[in-house]
Amino acid sequence: GEEVAQTPKHLVRGEGQKAKLYCAPIKGHSYVFWYQQVLKNEFKFLISFQNENVFDETGMPKERFSAKCLPNSPCSLEIQATKLEDSAVYFCASDGGLGSEQYFGPGTRLTVT
Amino acid sequence: AQSVAQPEDQVNVAEGNPLTVKCTYSVSGNPYLFWYVQYPNRGLQFLLKYITGDNLVKGSYGFEAEFNKSQTSFHLKKPSALVSDSALYFCAGISGAGSYQLTFGKGTKLSVIP
Repeated sequence: GEEVAQTPKHLVRGEGQKAKLYCAPIKGHSYVFWYQQVLKNEFKFLISFQNENVFDETGMPKERFSAKCLPNSPCSLEIQATKLEDSAVYFCASDGGLGSEQYFGPGTRLTVT
Repeated sequence: AQSVAQPEDQVNVAEGNPLTVKCTYSVSGNPYLFWYVQYPNRGLQFLLKYITGDNLVKGSYGFEAEFNKSQTSFHLKKPSALVSDSALYFCAGISGAGSYQLTFGKGTKLSVIP
């Protein structure tokens, strides 16, 4: 498709519960990125993939966050044992390689109560 | 370390007047610079980018930006602001040195007053 798709739009979880977010990148794009937008609009990079391989995971809180991009499946970002500070909007983006612009999905708003 | 700075939290401009949203950068290597716009409860929408070549870059919706290497700036401009331009604007950069992730500025809220 020509747009990055993200599901669900909204997700509410009690503290300690698991949350799983999905992203379908644009067809033909080989790079997928996950960003977290927190209060005051700041964006934080989490992880990137080149096809199904992790490209850069320097932003991932590894204890509770994990992500996958498997062939013929949407990419996923999973948070085990959510905490209040995980409340944010999670954006997925994809692009065709260095120098091309990243296309962003509409985001998933995660609220941890 | 890479960083992108947007020194203004908010910019107010009257409709029809020129607008400027400021951005400065500090990245290693040759910088790849981008401007995105975010409308309420929406994702980021790409406006324009500088990779190489002409320092003046033209983008969507009449926006343009000028890359200035000596001042390490990449300010976003538009000759005549519209009320519909009111939104949150983000400057972002990639160092081009093996890192593909975007480093974002903190965003500037643009309000165009009718």
